[in-house]
Amino acid sequence: QVTLKESGPVLVKPTETLTLTCTVSGFSLSNARVGVSWMRQPPGKALEWLAHIFSSDRKVYNTSLRSRLTISRDTSKSQVVLVMTNVDPVDTATYYCTRVQEGSESHAFDYWGRGTLVTVSS
Amino acid sequence: DIQMTQSPSSLSASVGDRVTFTCRASQAFGTSLAWYQQKPGKSPEVLIYAISTLQSGVPSRFSGSGSGTDFTLTISSLQPEDVATYYCQKYDDAPLTFGGGTKVEIK
Repeated sequence: QVTLKESGPVLVKPTETLTLTCTVSGFSLSNARVGVSWMRQPPGKALEWLAHIFSSDRKVYNTSLRSRLTISRDTSKSQVVLVMTNVDPVDTATYYCTRVQEGSESHAFDYWGRGTLVTVSS
Repeated sequence: DIQMTQSPSSLSASVGDRVTFTCRASQAFGTSLAWYQQKPGKSPEVLIYAISTLQSGVPSRFSGSGSGTDFTLTISSLQPEDVATYYCQKYDDAPLTFGGGTKVEIK
C-alpha cells in the first residue's frame, strides 16, 4: 500500500527557514521509477507546484521560488525533504507531497499525502 | 514557463446535467495532461491522466479530451458527490503547472 506522509512545524516565524519531510512507504525511492513533488495550497486558493525530484535525482523547481527552495531525498530513510528559506506570511499554506510514476507507466500524481498546514506568523 | 488557464472559475448546475469545463495551455506540451478532483478539506485525487485515460476506480461519467493547447473535462451526469474543485495540470516536466481550478456546485 502506497502512502506518503508530510511532517514539519505548524508555525514558523517570518524570515525563518521551513523544513518539511515526506516519508513514503509502499514503494522505494531508490529502486522504483518514481518521482516526488511538493505542492502547496494557501487557504481558499489554488494548488501550486513547488519542486520535484526525479528517480535519477534530477531536481526541478518552480521558477518564481527557485532561489528559496531545495529538495533532496534520503533513500535509506524513504524520505524527501523540502527546505524553504526566508519564509513570509504569504507562504502560509497546506503543503502536500505526492508521487508520479515516470515514463509510459505514469498515471500523473496518483498518490498524495494528507497535507500539513504551515502558518507563517510572528 | 507554460501557463494553464481554466474556465470557468466556478459553475453551478443541477443534478443530472452535463457539465464541461476547459483548460488552456499557453503553448503545446504533449499529452501529459491530468485532471484532479479536490473535495473540501481533502487532498486532490487524479481523475484522468494522459488527456483522456480514466484512473482506475473513477466513475465513467467523467471523461477528458483535447489536444495541443485546449483540453476539456466533462461530467456526463452531475451527481451530488461531484461537488468539488477540479484542477488541470501538465505533468511532463518542469514547470508542473496547475490551472487555477473550477469550483463545481449543485443548484
